[in-house]
Amino acid sequence: SSVLTQSPSVSVAPGQTARVTCGGDNIEHKGVHWYQQKPGQAPLLVIYDATDRPSGIPERFSGSNSGNTATLTISSVEAGDEADFYCHVWDSITDQPVLGGGTKLTVL
Amino acid sequence: DVQLVESGGGLVKPGRSLRLSCAASGFTFDDFSVTWIRQVPGKGLEWVGFIRRTPDGGTTEYAASVKGRFTISRDDSKSIAYLHMDSLKTEDTAVYYCTRVDLGYRTFDFWGQGTLVTVSS
Repeated sequence: SSVLTQSPSVSVAPGQTARVTCGGDNIEHKGVHWYQQKPGQAPLLVIYDATDRPSGIPERFSGSNSGNTATLTISSVEAGDEADFYCHVWDSITDQPVLGGGTKLTVL
Repeated sequence: DVQLVESGGGLVKPGRSLRLSCAASGFTFDDFSVTWIRQVPGKGLEWVGFIRRTPDGGTTEYAASVKGRFTISRDDSKSIAYLHMDSLKTEDTAVYYCTRVDLGYRTFDFWGQGTLVTVSS
């Protein structure tokens, strides 16, 4: 079954660009979704199908997907962006969802 | 507005059972699959299982860690999904979320607020 690998943590200064990666075998051929979870809250969908933003998500959030790595990019990072981020795909063989282990974004 | 509201969490002894409910509103419930995801406090998200939408048969899938102990069902007439948990273990302690599964891209596009299940003697 699929496995998604995320770095445990990323740190960035306010105003800089944060990149959160999600590694998986041939992930470029999968629809990758990203969720942001702030402390004490339920996760929120911020990117779907690797590059698209749901309505209401700031343009500062973008995504890309190539080879074995999908990337969530947050530009002009703000203190309020501090959160855990999770990637998600569906395993096409088992038809079961696969979630990454999560990356904690710290804004310095 | 789309809303999902979980209920039924609480403190339960190991080996006992508990049933969680996920009450949905703001959309045509039987048109959507529902997923249950849990999170041990301070840890990551873990998929528990899901039930397909009724037009797709309403069948279920489960994570290996809960298969045979947990059962997901749905009552489309009430717009409620259930997570019935048997033979609970201390490691099942977590916040349990239900989510709607988007029709097209199969994202978890709406989440409930979660309900805490604590398994302890």
